[in-house]
Amino acid sequence: KQEVTQIPAALSVPEGENLVLNCSFTDSAIYNLQWFRQDPGKGLTSLLLIQSSQREQTSGRLNASLDKSSGRSTLYIAASQPGDSATYLCAVYNTGANSKLTFGKGITLSVRP
Amino acid sequence: DADVTQTPRNRITKTGKRIMLECSQTKGHDRMYWYRQDPGLGLRLIYYSFDVKDINKGEISDGYSVSRQAQAKFSLSLESAIPNQTALYFCATSDPGQLSGELFFGEGSRLTVL
Repeated sequence: KQEVTQIPAALSVPEGENLVLNCSFTDSAIYNLQWFRQDPGKGLTSLLLIQSSQREQTSGRLNASLDKSSGRSTLYIAASQPGDSATYLCAVYNTGANSKLTFGKGITLSVRP
Repeated sequence: DADVTQTPRNRITKTGKRIMLECSQTKGHDRMYWYRQDPGLGLRLIYYSFDVKDINKGEISDGYSVSRQAQAKFSLSLESAIPNQTALYFCATSDPGQLSGELFFGEGSRLTVL
C-alpha cells in the first residue's frame, strides 16, 4: 500500500526566503506525482505535475523535482511571499489497473511579512 | 464557471437524515472521485468511477453510496448521516486518455452532522 509522508506538518518563514517542501513515498511504481495548493476552506489547486519519466517541472517561482528511485519529491519556492501562505499537498498516482492518487497530509506554510 | 461544481457548498443536517452531495463537471473526463478531508487525517478516497458503468469503493466507503448518472455527474449519498461524517467533501476528475492522472478538484462541500 502506498504511503505518502510530508514533514514537517507546518512551517513558518520570513518573506523573501527560498524554501523547500519535502514529500516522500514508499512505492516507486508511480505514473506521476502532483503538487497541490489549498487555501483554508477551499478546494485543491494543481500546481505542478511530474510524470514518472521526468526529473522536474517549473512554473514561475515554483520548481518541483522527482527522484523516483529514492521515493522523494521536493517543491522549491523561490523568494517566498505572504500570498504563498497555504497548505501544500503532494499526491502520487500509482500504476496498475485501478490506479488512483494517494495524498500526503500536507504542509501548512506561513510566510511572515 | 468552474470546471468541477459541487452542490451544496455548505450543509448542516441532523443525525439520521439522508444527504446527497452532487458533483458536475464540464471537463469531459471519464474518471470521477469523491474524497473527504478531515483535520490531521488528510484526504481519503470514498468512491471512484472510471466511467458511467464503473463504480469502485475507496478506503472509507462504509456509510456512503454513489451514483454516476452521466459522464458529467457523480453524486455521493449518506443514507443515514452520523456526526463523524462531519467533514469537507471534495469531488475530483481526471482524464485517463492522457495517462497523466492530473486531478481537478471542486471547491468542496462542507457537511456538518449534528
